[in-house]
Amino acid sequence: GDSVTQMEGPVTLSEEAFLTINCTYTATGYPSLFWYVQYPGEGLQLLLKATKADDKGSNKGFEATYRKETTSFHLEKGSVQVSDSAVYFCALERDDKIIFGKGTRLHILP
Amino acid sequence: GAGVSQTPSNKVTEKGKYVELRCDPISGHTALYWYRQSLGQGPEFLIYFQGTGAADDSGLPNDRFFAVRPEGSVSTLKIQRTERGDSAVYLCASSLNEQGVSPLHFGNGTRLTVT
Repeated sequence: GDSVTQMEGPVTLSEEAFLTINCTYTATGYPSLFWYVQYPGEGLQLLLKATKADDKGSNKGFEATYRKETTSFHLEKGSVQVSDSAVYFCALERDDKIIFGKGTRLHILP
Repeated sequence: GAGVSQTPSNKVTEKGKYVELRCDPISGHTALYWYRQSLGQGPEFLIYFQGTGAADDSGLPNDRFFAVRPEGSVSTLKIQRTERGDSAVYLCASSLNEQGVSPLHFGNGTRLTVT
C-alpha cells in the first residue's frame, strides 16, 4: 500500500543552519504531498503542500519540491530559528485520507 | 474562530472498561477524521466521515472500535473492552474537503492510558 518514509530524528542544528529533512513516498499515480508540523503543546497543522509533479510548496521560509523521478518531497529551509523546533511529518493523500510518515523531531539550539 | 476541540484531554481507564472520546469539529467542516498516534509514530488513520456517514472505516483495528457522527457535526469514538495496547493519543481532524482533501485541522488530541 501507499506509504511515506522520512529520515529519523532527532535532528539537532544550531540557529541559522541549513535544514533538510528527507522524505520519500511509495504510491500508485501521483498523490498530493504535504508537510505537517506539530509545535510543542499544539495540534498538527499544515505547513505546505504540492499537488503535482515539479510543484514547489513553500511557507514560513520552508520549501519542498515534488520530484516524481525520485519519488521524493524533501523539506528545506535556508536558515532555521529556535522557533522552528517541532516535529515534522511528511504525508500523502490517498482516497480522501492523509497517510503520514513517522515524523522527524527537530531541535534548534540558540 | 474556534478550532477542533477534543474532550477529555486525558483519560485513564482500566483494562476491560468502555471509553468514549469526543470531537467537536470546526463549524461548517463536512469531513471529520479520527487518527491514532502512538509514541514515536506518525498519526495512523482510523475512520473518516463525510457528513453523517462513515465514508471509510478501513483503519479501525477491530470491532471493539466504533465511531458515530449522528448529526454531521460532533463525533464520538467508542472503544469497548479496552486493552493496554489501545493506549495512545487519539487525534481528531476536520476539513472542508471541497476538492480532494483540503487542509486537515487537528485538535490537540485525547491521551488514553489503559492500565
